[in-house]
Amino acid sequence: AQSVTQPDIHITVSEGASLELRCNYSYGATPYLFWYVQSPGQGLQLLLKYFSGDTLVQGIKGFEAEFKRSQSSFNLRKPSVHWSDAAEYFCAVGPNNAGNNRKLIWGLGTSLAVNP
Amino acid sequence: NAGVMQNPRHLVRRRGQEARLRCSPMKGHSHVYWYRQLPEEGLKFMVYLQKENIIDESGMPKERFSAEFPKEGPSILRIQQVVRGDSAAYFCASSPGEGMNTEAFFGQGTRLTVV
Repeated sequence: AQSVTQPDIHITVSEGASLELRCNYSYGATPYLFWYVQSPGQGLQLLLKYFSGDTLVQGIKGFEAEFKRSQSSFNLRKPSVHWSDAAEYFCAVGPNNAGNNRKLIWGLGTSLAVNP
Repeated sequence: NAGVMQNPRHLVRRRGQEARLRCSPMKGHSHVYWYRQLPEEGLKFMVYLQKENIIDESGMPKERFSAEFPKEGPSILRIQQVVRGDSAAYFCASSPGEGMNTEAFFGQGTRLTVV
C-alpha cells in the first residue's frame, strides 16, 4: 500500500539548534517527493521537492532534504532553527508525471515548536 | 500578488444544513484543486476543476458533495445536508496548468465544524 509516515507528531527545539524532521514512504514507482510548510494563519507553502538527480535538495528558508532510496526516506533538515520556523510540516509523495497534484499521498504532519 | 484565498476560514453548521466553501485562485491560474483533511488523516484529493469544467472528481464523495468553477467568480465546494463526519479542514489549491511538475499553490483552508 502507498503511504507516507511522519513518525514525529510534535517536536520542540531551541532557537539556533539543528532540526531534522523524518519522512518515510512506501511507494511502488519512482517517487516525486515534497515538503510543505504551513505557518499559523497561512496556506501550505512548498519548501522543496525532489524529482531526480542530486539526492540532496535545497529549498527555501534554509531547508534541505535528502532522498535515501535504500531507506525510503526523505528527511528535512535545517542547521539552525529560527523562531519563525514554528509551523506544521507536511511530507508528500506522488508520481513523477503530469497530474501529480491530484495523486499526492500526504503524511499527517509534524508540528514544530521553537523555544526562545 | 494575492495568493489563493479561501473563505470563510472557519464555518460552523448544524447537522442537515448546507455548507458553501469558496476559493479564489491566484491571478492567472485556471486550474483548481480541492482537498480534505479529516482528523487523524493526511490531505486527500477530492476534485480538480478548470474553468467551467470538472476534470476529475474521483476523490469526491458520491452524495451531498458538489463543486463548481464558473467562468466568473470563485470556485465553490458545496456540501448539502452536512453530517458530523464532514467536520474537517478543506484546502483549495490553484495552478497555471497541469503539466509535469507544475506547482500547486494552496490557500489557508476552511475549517468546517458540524454540530
